[in-house]
Amino acid sequence: GNSVTQMEGPVTLSEEAFLTINCTYTATGYPSLFWYVQYPGEGLQLLLKATKADDKGSNKGFEATYRKETTSFHLEKGSVQVSDSAVYFCALTLYSGAGSYQLTFGKGTKLSVIP
Amino acid sequence: DTEVTQTPKHLVMGMTNKKSLKCEQHMGHRAMYWYKQKAKKPPELMFVYSYEKLSINESVPSRFSPECPNSSLLNLHLHALQPEDSALYLCASSQDPRGGAGNEQFFGPGTRLTVL
Repeated sequence: GNSVTQMEGPVTLSEEAFLTINCTYTATGYPSLFWYVQYPGEGLQLLLKATKADDKGSNKGFEATYRKETTSFHLEKGSVQVSDSAVYFCALTLYSGAGSYQLTFGKGTKLSVIP
Repeated sequence: DTEVTQTPKHLVMGMTNKKSLKCEQHMGHRAMYWYKQKAKKPPELMFVYSYEKLSINESVPSRFSPECPNSSLLNLHLHALQPEDSALYLCASSQDPRGGAGNEQFFGPGTRLTVL
């Protein structure tokens, strides 16, 4: 089956520190890869995505590159802010065989950024 | 309009009550989803509607009953729930279900449900 493994949190960083959240996947096909972010008390927002090998998704200073050879999609940001404190979910999507594409989520990584 | 809206934001209900959650999108998306999210966990898929037809039911108990009256609306009818059903219920939508794996799902803010 399909699965996503991401580093367990919580991760606590000082403001302006470098962030890496590791994500690896197992899939029975050629998935698209996503990072979603969930701020406290809110729903999920798409942060970035990549649909094929070597694609780099980027948004709001966050980046992740689709590495097929290592089945990875690690999230990075050069300088985090307090406002980046949230839970980050790595996810993949593949055709479910039932007329839709299903998301498979990792367990989530909680990031806390302190001033 | 790139928004998925959900009402109500919060809901408290007893185990004998009947209530409904509502989800709406006006992005022309033809796939809509219900997820259940417990604290500190990722969302778990409950149902998928593709072109207003139920295409996936992830073995959800019958006390949860989805309905898709039209391409913009998705309801989740609740009846005889248990306290363990308390969670955040998220709705999502995505473009043409046949459009490929790259179609992202857009999530609503969720309904925080508490069952007493």
